[in-house]
Amino acid sequence: EAQVTQNPRYLITVTGKKLTVTCSQNMNHEYMSWYRQDPGLGLRQIYYSMNVEVTDKGDVPEGYKVSRKEKRNFPLILESPSPNQTSLYFCASSFRAGNYNEQFFGPGTRLTVL
Amino acid sequence: GESVGLHLPTLSVQEGDNSIINCAYSNSASDYFIWYKQESGKGPQFIIDIRSNMDKRQGQRVTVLLNKTVKHLSLQIAATQPGDSAVYFCAETYGGSQGNLIFGKGTKLSVKP
Repeated sequence: EAQVTQNPRYLITVTGKKLTVTCSQNMNHEYMSWYRQDPGLGLRQIYYSMNVEVTDKGDVPEGYKVSRKEKRNFPLILESPSPNQTSLYFCASSFRAGNYNEQFFGPGTRLTVL
Repeated sequence: GESVGLHLPTLSVQEGDNSIINCAYSNSASDYFIWYKQESGKGPQFIIDIRSNMDKRQGQRVTVLLNKTVKHLSLQIAATQPGDSAVYFCAETYGGSQGNLIFGKGTKLSVKP
């Protein structure tokens, strides 16, 4: 089944404790992206990747890192999480950037930073 | 920076009526627009898209209208059904940075039976 998976789905952590949210897709997609969703603010893009080893900042990249060492995986790294990073995070992928008509979203990761 | 916004945060319609969800965008360079539907507890789902060289595009029960003069986008849903209840987002991007997708804040559509 074609899908985007994220892990964990729920995470409660404390300020400053490094964490990684994994994202994996099984569709051989080139483009992958991370968003955060906050009430009243909609979805905001954190980082995106056009292909392996190619990553770019979105609108809200501060406090986040990403890597794209292999095509299927696009982990989101919070080196020192802070409470303002409490949010719902979505990973998405599509065959290429711009192919948003076939963009698949993951199920979301709800992160709480205490 | 550029932003995509919405005129109405909530919309309540009667089942069977038509729904119109509006969106204003501020980046005149944006050339590709997408509407997404997000049901509770799920990720966004693509509904329909439109490029800036078009004014109108129709899908199954949905129509997107683009008015570049006033930088306005709308989504029309015909014969709204309870299953259409969700939050709807518009999003924009432009050819120079197709990887950067900017979402609006969303409109919650509630369908009354």
